[in-house]
Amino acid sequence: GQQVMQIPQYQHVQEGEDFTTYCNSSTTLSNIQWYKQRPGGHPVFLIQLVKSGEVKKQKRLTFQFGEAKKNSSLHITATQTTDVGTYFCAGIGGGNNRKLIWGLGTSLAVNP
Amino acid sequence: DTEVTQTPKHLVMGMTNKKSLKCEQHMGHRAMYWYKQKAKKPPELMFVYSYEKLSINESVPSRFSPECPNSSLLNLHLHALQPEDSALYLCASSHGTIGTGGDSYEKLFFGSGTQLSVL
Repeated sequence: GQQVMQIPQYQHVQEGEDFTTYCNSSTTLSNIQWYKQRPGGHPVFLIQLVKSGEVKKQKRLTFQFGEAKKNSSLHITATQTTDVGTYFCAGIGGGNNRKLIWGLGTSLAVNP
Repeated sequence: DTEVTQTPKHLVMGMTNKKSLKCEQHMGHRAMYWYKQKAKKPPELMFVYSYEKLSINESVPSRFSPECPNSSLLNLHLHALQPEDSALYLCASSHGTIGTGGDSYEKLFFGSGTQLSVL
């Protein structure tokens, strides 16, 4: 079945350093979503990417969707302690697929 | 109101108990979901309701029984659970169901979850 691989599983950074998490799908996706889950919290929607090669920015966060719509990345510039949490990508397959396919998540720790 | 409200926040139950989890949203969303999340894992889809009808059941054991009384409410009835069912149970809603397209239609709004412990 369809799978979405996400790396790295964990990342520790010093405050101010950059951070990137990557997702790769075994099949072409119609679109991809990104969620953030703080420790003890619930997933919160960040963004949805739909178009091939799309790049979207939210302040220090940059989201990319690959040309082949099989991979995506989230880059955080100059991390802050408020960025701590687990970042999940979730892809929507093409055709009649009606489910989100979740990556395993990248857990980000930021040392002040 | 952009919230999904779940009750209770915490629940401890024995294997012979019957309990219910409740979820409510007033955003006019037509799709509602139950997810199960184990620690350090992604959410795992259990059920999807679309326009108050069950559209997806991910082969969930019958000890979990969903119910959608109306477009704003979603319940999950629990009976004879096992210790391995202990997890965070998340309710979510979206304007439309996954796969219907549209930038805002498929965005999931999650509730804060019910942390369930089965003894």
